[in-house]
Amino acid sequence: GAGVSQSPRYKVAKRGQDVALRCDPISGHVSLFWYQQALGQGPEFLTYFQNEAQLDKSGLPSDRFFAERPEGSVSTLKIQRTQQEDSAVYLCASSPPGTYYEQYFGPGTRLTVT
Amino acid sequence: RKEVEQDPGPFNVPEGATVAFNCTYSNSASQSFFWYRQDCRKEPKLLMSVYSSGNEDGRFTAQLNRASQYISLLIRDSKLSDSATYLCVVNWGGGGNKLTFGTGTQLKVEL
Repeated sequence: GAGVSQSPRYKVAKRGQDVALRCDPISGHVSLFWYQQALGQGPEFLTYFQNEAQLDKSGLPSDRFFAERPEGSVSTLKIQRTQQEDSAVYLCASSPPGTYYEQYFGPGTRLTVT
Repeated sequence: RKEVEQDPGPFNVPEGATVAFNCTYSNSASQSFFWYRQDCRKEPKLLMSVYSSGNEDGRFTAQLNRASQYISLLIRDSKLSDSATYLCVVNWGGGGNKLTFGTGTQLKVEL
């Protein structure tokens, strides 16, 4: 079946622009996670949803980062006033009920802020 | 200090070799442990969970030492297709469903 999809796959933004990154999880997966992966590093947790409820946003690096999942399926990660340090791959993952650790990752969005 | 530490490598080994990776974690309350695999420019994928008694999946063996807060992954009879970055992953329970990833250890299997 279809896996997790993310769009766009690549995004170049000028410093100060706002960006919106989209994630379509696997159908039936109630849990959805966002991670940020810098070059040469492991993924760093940003935020977690169970259905439409954002249960943990402790990893969001600043109030410029905002995530939503209004109908419990598609999620959007928005970054306002992008900075160079926001350049990274943004990964979305979803997991089936009862197995939070078996996270299925999308291909990621590579964000470059110039 | 990072919560999950790994030697970044790279580990360059010949095909057929046995190779072991180690990982240490700082939160003694950590409850669940996993190894994920990430191919170059691809997304991470779950390789295996790590159980207290140790567990094996084909050529892969994972071990956990809670007293030393140490996890290991052993790969026997390495294949070219094993070349990837291996990510040590911890969930400490109190953090909900959040996973904490190590930096990853890069493995290159050569002819």
